[in-house]
Amino acid sequence: NAGVTQTPKFQVLKTGQSMTLQCAQDMNHEYMSWYRQDPGMGLRLIHYSVGAGITDQGEVPNGYNVSRSTTEDFPLRLLSAAPSQTSVYFCASSYQGVRTDTQYFGPGTRLTVL
Amino acid sequence: GENVEQHPSTLSVQEGDSAVIKCTYSDSASNYFPWYKQELGKGPQLIIDIRSNVGEKKDQRIAVTLNKTAKHFSLHITETQPEDSAVYFCAASSSNAGGTSYGKLTFGQGTILTVHP
Repeated sequence: NAGVTQTPKFQVLKTGQSMTLQCAQDMNHEYMSWYRQDPGMGLRLIHYSVGAGITDQGEVPNGYNVSRSTTEDFPLRLLSAAPSQTSVYFCASSYQGVRTDTQYFGPGTRLTVL
Repeated sequence: GENVEQHPSTLSVQEGDSAVIKCTYSDSASNYFPWYKQELGKGPQLIIDIRSNVGEKKDQRIAVTLNKTAKHFSLHITETQPEDSAVYFCAASSSNAGGTSYGKLTFGQGTILTVHP
């Protein structure tokens, strides 16, 4: 299994540009989440999904959109990039079951918005 | 919502010493407390977790303790080794009756642990 994969690894955008961060998992996990990591602030939840077709907002959802058309994929869209969205983005997935909260994280995408 | 505070932000120890990282949380409904280790350039990886019906859990050189009354939990690493050097995050979430948190974690700010040979 490849686990959780994310593309691209690095990206530089100009203010106002849009882009999609890709996330895929091959573990048949129901739950998937997007976090952003900023220095001194830990990881903060952006959006999450409990299954195909079902998404919900996390702590910092503004400026981001998500969709979940398949179990495997959970892309994160930046509608109009802003310098405040410069961050490292992590996608995570976890299995649906009793007492199975372990989240598996991807390697991250480092995004810089100029 | 939940708020998790983590201390210290940096921790430097000599190889073989013990390291302790502490976290406090605000939401009394939280009942799942994992610890993640993040190495440079990688995503966080779960190293140990504890649920609210347990006070302490050990796995070889690492242990976690939980005090629900005081709303704090701690990570203990004994006999530290240079490969323990990394960023450590605590987190908290509330699980439903089936024990599932739906992938929603609130993280602490992180602790940079450096183990000197």
